[in-house]
Amino acid sequence: QKEVEQNSGPLSVPEGAIASLNCTYSDRGSQSFFWYRQYSGKSPELIMFIYSNGDKEDGRFTAQLNKASQYVSLLIRDSQPSDSATYLCAVRIGGSYIPTFGRGTSLIVHP
Amino acid sequence: NAGVMQNPRHLVRRRGQEARLRCSPMKGHSHVYWYRQLPEEGLKFMVYLQKENIIDESGMPKERFSAEFPKEGPSILRIQQVVRGDSAAYFCASSPPGEGNTEAFFGQGTRLTVV
Repeated sequence: QKEVEQNSGPLSVPEGAIASLNCTYSDRGSQSFFWYRQYSGKSPELIMFIYSNGDKEDGRFTAQLNKASQYVSLLIRDSQPSDSATYLCAVRIGGSYIPTFGRGTSLIVHP
Repeated sequence: NAGVMQNPRHLVRRRGQEARLRCSPMKGHSHVYWYRQLPEEGLKFMVYLQKENIIDESGMPKERFSAEFPKEGPSILRIQQVVRGDSAAYFCASSPPGEGNTEAFFGQGTRLTVV
């Protein structure tokens, strides 16, 4: 079982819709969870982090963490074409300092 | 407050040459992580360093690759005798010290092409 798993997509949503991106992880002891956005040919950009169970909102983005089920999700409300990118989930597995990445989910927001 | 700085942005090397990639972490950050990304693939962890120490190099190939983070100056990822398969984007990230939850920020990357 891979340590951090994401559906590679692409996930295609219409402009204005809610995009829902999911990530599961293998180690129940993991404590830190991150979402990065990566445009083609660019570097990953941190957009959300969450450390506690529940929801965390920042503008149009909401991160949701469920440690019991070992998943973390990212919701993007009012999706825009500029949100089209690959979204990378990263987890500090167990007690490690090292962020381990999933393969990313490609999101396409069409006008 | 400058972000994570990587240079060069693009590097072309002939097979058999050495490649040196540099990473200056954000101000106040003492943890550095190197990742490699092949086209259409995820970020693969290579090595985690703190000042003057390699903490975890489990993702780094045993031969030809080395990394350092000296007391003064940037972190260096060195690839000796490069081969075509080394062509990739190499990203560095840094995070602040501390035992608690901290966020890692990425540099712009170095795109290595081996010809």
